[in-house]
Amino acid sequence: TQLLEQSPQFLSIQEGENLTVYCNSSSVFSSLQWYRQEPGEGPVLLVTVVTGGEVKKLKRLTFQFGDARKDSSLHITAAQPGDTGLYLCAGTNTGGFKTIFGAGTRLFVKA
Amino acid sequence: NAGVTQTPKFQVLKTGQSMTLQCAQDMNHEYMSWYRQDPGMGLRLIHYSVGAGITDQGEVPNGYNVSRSTTEDFPLRLLSAAPSQTSVYFCASSQALPRGGANVLTFGAGSRLTVL
Repeated sequence: TQLLEQSPQFLSIQEGENLTVYCNSSSVFSSLQWYRQEPGEGPVLLVTVVTGGEVKKLKRLTFQFGDARKDSSLHITAAQPGDTGLYLCAGTNTGGFKTIFGAGTRLFVKA
Repeated sequence: NAGVTQTPKFQVLKTGQSMTLQCAQDMNHEYMSWYRQDPGMGLRLIHYSVGAGITDQGEVPNGYNVSRSTTEDFPLRLLSAAPSQTSVYFCASSQALPRGGANVLTFGAGSRLTVL
């Protein structure tokens, strides 16, 4: 059974601080995605990574896919209150159609 | 707007009742899936389909049935609801994957189900 372990589960920080969220597995994934979810809505895609070692940047967000394609991280620089939300990592199996999610990291950025 | 439409948004059932959560997408996506979201547990995959007539089980399939008679629709059936099925249910869809490609999911707004 594939599992994605996400940490931390909850993070409360001050505006301007940096943070990193981790997503780890013992399984290899063909791709990994990061989603953000607001209350009462479905998750919305932030980024997809498909190549081991890949790094993608989205403004103040930096995403990295591990060399072995088993783990990923999300780093936010100078967090802002607008970054508050639930961040979810998701991995797709090497067969290509089964996507599982981590438990999520609930981020709260205080002004 | 194009996307994934789920109905109903809210539903209250009594234990033992049956119901169907509806999901429709108008993006001609091959892949559709159902997840449930419970506090502290992220999204767990219930069932998924890679095309009309093809379905497969996910992580937590027990107590749920699905069928895929058309590309657009992927209903989730609860045959005999239990309190443990109280959750928020999300339907998602994506395009057919190129070899080694990413499964980028588009989600519906969710259906909140309470089983008493």
